[in-house]
Amino acid sequence: DAGVTQSPTHLIKTRGQHVTLRCSPISGHKSVSWYQQVLGQGPQFIFQYYEKEERGRGNFPDRFSARQFPNYSSELNVNALLLGDSALYLCASSPGTSDSTPRYEQYFGPGTRLTVT
Amino acid sequence: KNEVEQSPQNLTAQEGEFITINCSYSVGISALHWLQQHPGGGIVSLFMLSSGKKKHGRLIATINIQEKHSSLHITASHPRDSAVYICAASYNTDKLIFGTGTRLQVFP
Repeated sequence: DAGVTQSPTHLIKTRGQHVTLRCSPISGHKSVSWYQQVLGQGPQFIFQYYEKEERGRGNFPDRFSARQFPNYSSELNVNALLLGDSALYLCASSPGTSDSTPRYEQYFGPGTRLTVT
Repeated sequence: KNEVEQSPQNLTAQEGEFITINCSYSVGISALHWLQQHPGGGIVSLFMLSSGKKKHGRLIATINIQEKHSSLHITASHPRDSAVYICAASYNTDKLIFGTGTRLQVFP
């Protein structure tokens, strides 16, 4: 069974540009979460989606948005890129639960390394 | 102040040593996760626990709910155990609050 996949692996963008990052969860997983990891720090929560609905949003500006598709894959969009957006963006999936109770381990993708110049 | 605190930040050990990494959290949680991150970024979930103790191979994770404290132990450490170990807390959702990580280096 394939694990969580993310694309692209690496990306270089210029300040002010827009970027779309993609994530495909493990088959059968309905919950997808996005995290930003700046070099030397622990990951920070950006969004969680379950069954195509947003379940949680971290402390990130409105330049960050996401969505989940009917096949449970997800996109993270970042507009008006800043130098500080340079980071490893991680996607994690789990089966999820209808009542939000965390009952399952999360499985992480390899990440997309975004560099903003 | 981070809701999840880890210690130590850095740890070096000789092969074969017993290793302990500690994690404390500030409020009640639904579950505590231990994860491993290798250079290059990939994160692997090691344990998810809400009470007691779990063991997988040479790894043992314990949690004390009353003291809001968890430990990850590695027995008979090996150079391939070298990685960053991160604890993370989940509350009412799948959202994880991560600690800052412990960088472990095991030398032959």
